[in-house]
Amino acid sequence: TQLLEQSPQFLSIQEGENLTVYCNSSSVFSSLQWYRQEPGEGPVLLVTVVTGGEVKKLKRLTFQFGDARKDSSLHITAAQPGDTGLYLCAGARGSGSRLTFGEGTQLTVNP
Amino acid sequence: DTGVSQNPRHKITKRGQNVTFRCDPISEHNRLYWYRQTLGQGPEFLTYFQNEAQLEKSRLLSDRFSAERPKGSFSTLEIQRTEQGDSAMYLCASSFRGSTYNEQFFGPGTRLTVL
Repeated sequence: TQLLEQSPQFLSIQEGENLTVYCNSSSVFSSLQWYRQEPGEGPVLLVTVVTGGEVKKLKRLTFQFGDARKDSSLHITAAQPGDTGLYLCAGARGSGSRLTFGEGTQLTVNP
Repeated sequence: DTGVSQNPRHKITKRGQNVTFRCDPISEHNRLYWYRQTLGQGPEFLTYFQNEAQLEKSRLLSDRFSAERPKGSFSTLEIQRTEQGDSAMYLCASSFRGSTYNEQFFGPGTRLTVL
């Protein structure tokens, strides 16, 4: 059973377009982390959101945590080919706990 | 700080053989995690150490799998009598006990192929 549902699963867009990736769950998490993974490499941590309603910005990336701490979104403005990769959301239920990952969103940005 | 390292990066083995992977966490991190990732999926939790103590194991970790962290530093993951279904990317992550939100930092992974 996948506790975190990501959508869309695949996304192919042109350079300069905007996009949003969603991460939804029926469970509450104490924090939610977003990672980006390239082929043959491990996931790289982008951001951690912890407070319901929180918004964090990382250059052209905007992350939001839902008010109930069950869902999150990642918005990319003016996507670039370097943004291509697998975007993963992962929820934690406390300090020291395992991470529960979504299936990921494979993003391809075409020049 | 060189980050989390894993060795080997790639391993090809024949069904029935034993394999062992090593993970060296970030030096001041006392928590260490193993995950497994198959193609098209997100990583799945296998096991977790705090210092040398193995505190949690997933039911995915069958009796053919064993993990150790004898001195609370590096960790090894051994798979005995490998099966084709064990083919996957094995990821190690570490975190600092003082990290309230359990931010985990991943190594590059070991890609296992069982023929």
